[in-house]
Amino acid sequence: GQQLNQSPQSMFIQEGEDVSMNCTSSSIFNTWLWYKQDPGEGPVLLIALYKAGELTSNGRLTAQFGITRKDSFLNISASIPSDVGIYFCAGQLSMNAGNMLTFGGGTRLMVKP
Amino acid sequence: DTGVSQNPRHKITKRGQNVTFRCDPISEHNRLYWYRQTLGQGPEFLTYFQNEAQLEKSRLLSDRFSAERPKGSFSTLEIQRTEQGDSAMYLCASSFEDGYTFGSGTRLTVV
Repeated sequence: GQQLNQSPQSMFIQEGEDVSMNCTSSSIFNTWLWYKQDPGEGPVLLIALYKAGELTSNGRLTAQFGITRKDSFLNISASIPSDVGIYFCAGQLSMNAGNMLTFGGGTRLMVKP
Repeated sequence: DTGVSQNPRHKITKRGQNVTFRCDPISEHNRLYWYRQTLGQGPEFLTYFQNEAQLEKSRLLSDRFSAERPKGSFSTLEIQRTEQGDSAMYLCASSFEDGYTFGSGTRLTVV
């Protein structure tokens, strides 16, 4: 099935470093979402973006909805060991969550204490 | 409310057998979704219910797959004549207006 292009596929960083990952699509989305998934669990929503150009923060996480509506990035500042996991971007066409999500392939983050 | 509940958490079955998974959504959520996630990939949409009506189905949902949501509460996903390619994590999610809540998934292994 179709997925968004997410990069990098994996990152291995030192605790305290900042992290940046991004997601691009050939299609326009009206909503961009960022999720974190721990092993054996379902994805957990981190940040939701509803408007082109929007910049939203949630603690140490900051995400932006690209102006073209075809891309988004997620930054994590001052990483800590519990940030380890797989981060997924997801695009949605409908703003009221009635339609499906299209997911990226994920960025696996590993943090060295 | 304990969130979205999925059972079983793990299922190992022999090729050719039928399996059924259950999802109990958050009680006030009227929308329920099924996704499939294979190793190293993001989840892929399978189907969506609004109350008891199945409103969207992905082409990934072959005729061996059937999903139901009787009475608009819990949902079941059945796979008939399982194949090794069906091995994956099956995720259920529910929503009311905005934002999904995912369950922990059912991991299916077909041997």
